[in-house]
Amino acid sequence: GDSVTQMEGPVTLSEEAFLTINCTYTATGYPSLFWYVQYPGEGLQLLLKATKADDKGSNKGFEATYRKETTSFHLEKGSVQVSDSAVYFCALRAYRNTGFQKLVFGTGTRLLVSP
Amino acid sequence: KAGVTQTPRYLIKTRGQQVTLSCSPISGHRSVSWYQQTPGQGLQFLFEYFSETQRNKGNFPGRFSGRQFSNSRSEMNVSTLELGDSALYLCASSSRQVGDTQYFGPGTRLTVL
Repeated sequence: GDSVTQMEGPVTLSEEAFLTINCTYTATGYPSLFWYVQYPGEGLQLLLKATKADDKGSNKGFEATYRKETTSFHLEKGSVQVSDSAVYFCALRAYRNTGFQKLVFGTGTRLLVSP
Repeated sequence: KAGVTQTPRYLIKTRGQQVTLSCSPISGHRSVSWYQQTPGQGLQFLFEYFSETQRNKGNFPGRFSGRQFSNSRSEMNVSTLELGDSALYLCASSSRQVGDTQYFGPGTRLTVL
């Protein structure tokens, strides 16, 4: 079945450091890929998405590229801020002949950024 | 455009009771999905409704049920609550078009005592 694997956290960084959170997936066909962010006590916010191979999603300085050859969708940011501290979820959603399937999430990676 | 709204935001129940959670999707969205989030199991899919019909269902017992109304608002019900049902219940809406994206509400925090 479809699955998403993302790196264990927490990831602890100093402000202005470079961020990478690894995400790989297993799915048949060409799923859409997403990064969601969850701040304490809140729901999930869509951070960025990519719907086909080689697409780059970007938002608020975060970027991720849909790499079909390595089945990866790693999240990067050049310079993190304290306000980026949150839990980040990688997810995929497949489309089959029965229609859209459920969102499948990774386990989440907690990011802690210190001043 | 208003986002996805969920009511109530917090709920405390005791074992054996039942509970109903409500979700109003983004205007124009006809698909509503429900997810359960717990520290141990992470984010797990419950079910999806589109045009008042259940389209997908996750691997949860029959105590978990849902429905969708003609205005696309959705409710989920959990009967005979167990301690393990304590979780954040998230609702997400989408248009179910190509490039479909699910947008989440703030969730309902259910505590079962």
